[in-house]
Amino acid sequence: EVQLLESGGGLVQPGGSLRLSCAASGFTFSSSVMSWVRQAPGKGLEWVSTFSGASGNTYYADSVKGRFTISRDTSKNTLYLQMNSLRVDDTAVYYCAARPGKWFDPWGQGTLVTVSS
Amino acid sequence: QTVVTQEPSFSVSPGGTVTLTCGLSSGSVSSSYYPSWYQQTPGQAPRTLIYNTNTRSSGVPNRFSGSILGNKAALTITGAQADDESDYYCVVYMGSGISVFGGGTKLTVL
Repeated sequence: EVQLLESGGGLVQPGGSLRLSCAASGFTFSSSVMSWVRQAPGKGLEWVSTFSGASGNTYYADSVKGRFTISRDTSKNTLYLQMNSLRVDDTAVYYCAARPGKWFDPWGQGTLVTVSS
Repeated sequence: QTVVTQEPSFSVSPGGTVTLTCGLSSGSVSSSYYPSWYQQTPGQAPRTLIYNTNTRSSGVPNRFSGSILGNKAALTITGAQADDESDYYCVVYMGSGISVFGGGTKLTVL
């Protein structure tokens, strides 16, 4: 069974940093495309970033480019999202998701990031 | 910047049929955008319903179907049930690794 388990969320002050993790199991993580998607409280879903498993290419939404970095550790089957220079509007539940194609499936349960002073 | 448009809200009667749509602020959605659809209930992670325009994800009832209608992607629910009351999101793939979500449609079954 494919499983994704996010962790690392919490409360951080504006301008601070946080690293999210997504532990994957049940599939070949090393060759998989993986993404982060976020959802601000009461708002819709927003694609944040993608890591292309085969090529190692990374992609970012304009809203996080230059501040967030996606990476992975294949020895730990774990995807990361390093978030720097956090802003109040980065407050959201962050989901990781596998990308078997151009879609998202499955999804993790999410981890909440709150940016507030 | 491309905006993906969805109806903010929709209502359907139990047993009825409803079609939600997913368009672009400029241009048409075609299969080349690989539209996909997700269902989300409050406090839960999204659930994948449809991918590649019209392929149902594993375990999704066949009352959910996807298509292209005119210049938009569409999600049709035939024989709506009470537990279909959820938020529904579409996503289109814009190329170069970029995906864009629509704003979501809140479906009420009453």
